[in-house]
Amino acid sequence: GDSVTQKQGQVTLSEDDFLFINCTYSTTTYPTLFWYVQYPGQGPQLLLKVTTANNKGISRGFEATYDKGTTSFHLQKASVQESDSAVYFCAHTNTGKLTFGDGTVLTVKP
Amino acid sequence: NAGVIQTPRHKVTGKGQEATLWCEPISGHSAVFWYRQTIVQGLEFLTYFRNQAPIDDSGMPKERFSAQMPNQSHSTLKIQSTQPQDSAVYLCASSLTGGTNTGQLYFGEGSKLTVL
Repeated sequence: GDSVTQKQGQVTLSEDDFLFINCTYSTTTYPTLFWYVQYPGQGPQLLLKVTTANNKGISRGFEATYDKGTTSFHLQKASVQESDSAVYFCAHTNTGKLTFGDGTVLTVKP
Repeated sequence: NAGVIQTPRHKVTGKGQEATLWCEPISGHSAVFWYRQTIVQGLEFLTYFRNQAPIDDSGMPKERFSAQMPNQSHSTLKIQSTQPQDSAVYLCASSLTGGTNTGQLYFGEGSKLTVL
């Protein structure tokens, strides 16, 4: 079935480090892809969205590029801050509901 | 604007008791989704409604779980005869249209259910 895979369960960085979180998808069509972020005690919130039409999403210094060749949708940020510490989920939809990856816990040390 | 409101924020039940969780979507949003979040299973889709009609309940356990949306301003998730494995954070989300490929869900803060 359709799915998204995040292999990194945890990532620990220092402030100003480069962030890269891996996400790959497996679907029979070209879905819309998303990154959501969840802070402690809150529900997930949309970070960015990418469709096949625009191929790249950018928000708050984060960016992700839709790569049909490698079926990947990695999240990147040039310089992380302590306030970026959270859980990041990639997700996709092509049937009206969102399917989430397992999430990556990002810890940024000051 | 108020976001998605979920009540109660915390609920503790004894094994075998019933639990009802409430969700008030953002006004004007036509789709409501329920998810369950645990450390082991992550974020699991349960069910969703569009314009109050059930659209997809493929994630709902067939026994003991039911969801309703009696009007556009609230939805309920009911768990009968709760079991310890039902312990989780239950998240409600709403979206403006809920159609295919929209995907921008607005989540509430969740209801944490603990079954003793």
